[in-house]
Amino acid sequence: GESVGLHLPTLSVQEGDNSIINCAYSNSASDYFIWYKQESGKGPQFIIDIRSNMDKRQGQRVTVLLNKTVKHLSLQIAATQPGDSAVYFCAENSGGYQKVTFGTGTKLQVIP
Amino acid sequence: KAGVTQTPRYLIKTRGQQVTLSCSPISGHRSVSWYQQTPGQGLQFLFEYFSETQRNKGNFPGRFSGRQFSNSRSEMNVSTLELGDSALYLCASSFPGAGEQYFGPGTRLTVT
Repeated sequence: GESVGLHLPTLSVQEGDNSIINCAYSNSASDYFIWYKQESGKGPQFIIDIRSNMDKRQGQRVTVLLNKTVKHLSLQIAATQPGDSAVYFCAENSGGYQKVTFGTGTKLQVIP
Repeated sequence: KAGVTQTPRYLIKTRGQQVTLSCSPISGHRSVSWYQQTPGQGLQFLFEYFSETQRNKGNFPGRFSGRQFSNSRSEMNVSTLELGDSALYLCASSFPGAGEQYFGPGTRLTVT
């Protein structure tokens, strides 16, 4: 069945450096992807999304890259801050409705 | 405006009992989705409601059910609780057709 997975369970980054979180998906028909951030004790928070007709999308300090050829998604965080410490999930929204398949998550640890 | 609210925040139940969780979406959001989050299985989609109708359902047994009211508030019910139902249950709301979902803080259910 379809699945969305992550390459690394934990990522440690020095404060001020850039972070890159990767995600692989298996459903080639997927057309919409989202990155969420989940802090301890809270629900996931939307960061940025991208549709399959795009390769790149930028937000505030974040960039999502989509490579449909290899079914790979990445989230880049510029100038990582301690407040960026959280678990990051990539997710796929399929079927036109809100049925979201989440990846397993990557824990980002920012070292001061 | 107020975010997604979930009640109760914490709940302890015994095997065999049933439980009802409540979710109030953001004002104007008519789509409500439910997710189960566990350390072993991650975030898994339960079901999604729009205009009091279930539009999507994940791969969960029939013990898991839900409903949505005319004011878009939603409830989910789990009958005959099992130890494996211990999890964080998350509710998310969105505008119809919008990819971005807003999550509540979740209800932490512990089954003993």
